[in-house]
Amino acid sequence: QSALTQPASVSGSPGQSITMSCTGTSSDVGDYNYVSWYQQHPGKAPKLIIYDVNNRPSGVSNRFSGSKSGNTASLTISGLQAEDEADYYCNSYTSSSTWVFGGGTKVTVL
Amino acid sequence: QVQLQESGPGLVKPSETLSLTCIVSGSSFSSAHYWVWIRQPPGKGLEWIGNIYYTGSTYYNPSLKSRVTISVDTSNNQFSLRLSSLTAADTAVYYCARRRGGSSWVDSWGQGTLVTVSS
Repeated sequence: QSALTQPASVSGSPGQSITMSCTGTSSDVGDYNYVSWYQQHPGKAPKLIIYDVNNRPSGVSNRFSGSKSGNTASLTISGLQAEDEADYYCNSYTSSSTWVFGGGTKVTVL
Repeated sequence: QVQLQESGPGLVKPSETLSLTCIVSGSSFSSAHYWVWIRQPPGKGLEWIGNIYYTGSTYYNPSLKSRVTISVDTSNNQFSLRLSSLTAADTAVYYCARRRGGSSWVDSWGQGTLVTVSS
């Protein structure tokens, strides 16, 4: 299985909104609403921020939102803050009953 | 609050087999959960290795399937990863994690353990 495709980096100024994409195929992202997003700060374990495309776990800021169109899922961070600087990974279920991650997107707050 | 803790060697030789154990506390191990292994090479992205259901059924990453075995020891609240025929490309931080049955997301992670493959 091939990794989902994410842009290597995205940047924005504090207060701005940024969006990153996660592109898969009709055998994963396009066929299931089982896309999750994880935030990872350096040296730390990933943290769940979005599940099932557009749901936020309790305790996660409402500045994070998710969506999906066709084979591409997206994560938007609104009101960008310095603490949002991290790596972000998408993850999807696949038709082979396995799971696949994206390559990751590094978010830089300018 | 579930806690997961990986244990195993930090250094293994090429061609050898890696064995890691994840000890789970704070969660009923026999509940309908999936126990997951994920790895991350230094400076690179996450890679799903595989998972095991509490009943013992397993699913593996097709690219690793021929070298991976995940097993569960419910009596000791732990599950394990074996990865054979190691090369330098298997050098990574290995995470154990949990996915609740019926859900599509990993909700709990271990802190990760760095495994280096080198002679």
